[in-house]
Amino acid sequence: GPKVLQIPSHQIIDMGQMVTLNCDPVSNHLYFYWYKQILGQQMEFLVNFYNGKVMEKSKLFKDQFSVERPDGSYFTLKIQPTALEDSAVYFCASSSLAGGQNTLYFGAGTRLSVL
Amino acid sequence: QQKVQQSPESLIVPEGGMASLNCTFSDRNSQYFWWYRQHSGEGPKALMSIFSNGDKKEGRFTAHLNKASLHVSLHIKDSQPSDSALYFCAVVDSNYQLIWGSGTKLIIKP
Repeated sequence: GPKVLQIPSHQIIDMGQMVTLNCDPVSNHLYFYWYKQILGQQMEFLVNFYNGKVMEKSKLFKDQFSVERPDGSYFTLKIQPTALEDSAVYFCASSSLAGGQNTLYFGAGTRLSVL
Repeated sequence: QQKVQQSPESLIVPEGGMASLNCTFSDRNSQYFWWYRQHSGEGPKALMSIFSNGDKKEGRFTAHLNKASLHVSLHIKDSQPSDSALYFCAVVDSNYQLIWGSGTKLIIKP
């Protein structure tokens, strides 16, 4: 089936540093998402992105977070500076159409450990 | 604000048995409902969706929706060890946003 690739699978950084999480979405998809999951619990929506713009974001998408997809390359989530509470698994997802009734395809996640 | 609650938190079912997972939601205008499954170390994967009251069957999996009672469920017949995973209910609210439950951890015991 369609695959979303996330790089790296695990990132360890010191608090206050910048980190960039990379996502290669399904090739013909236009809508991109980031979710946060702590300790295998609830999936928490962060942001969705379409046509170069943030469409929706949650309260968890702090000012230190930013997303972009320059020239059709990786869809990235940047956190600058990082905080201890940013430690989690971050999942990227993509879909071909907008709206929750369309299937989301998730990557395997990037485990971020902030020390 | 839509609330989605899943029960039980965890469930142990013998191999070959029936697993039943429950989900309640609060927004009566919700129209579309998903079950996603997440195996350990992987991202969630869509299992099935339902939008009409009643049952929808796909292989060993049956989803049941009752909008009047704000309830959707997933039943897994002839459970296999590979069905062991975290199962999420997700509900599309009136703003077309996907609201996730907190998940049910299913363990199939050989």
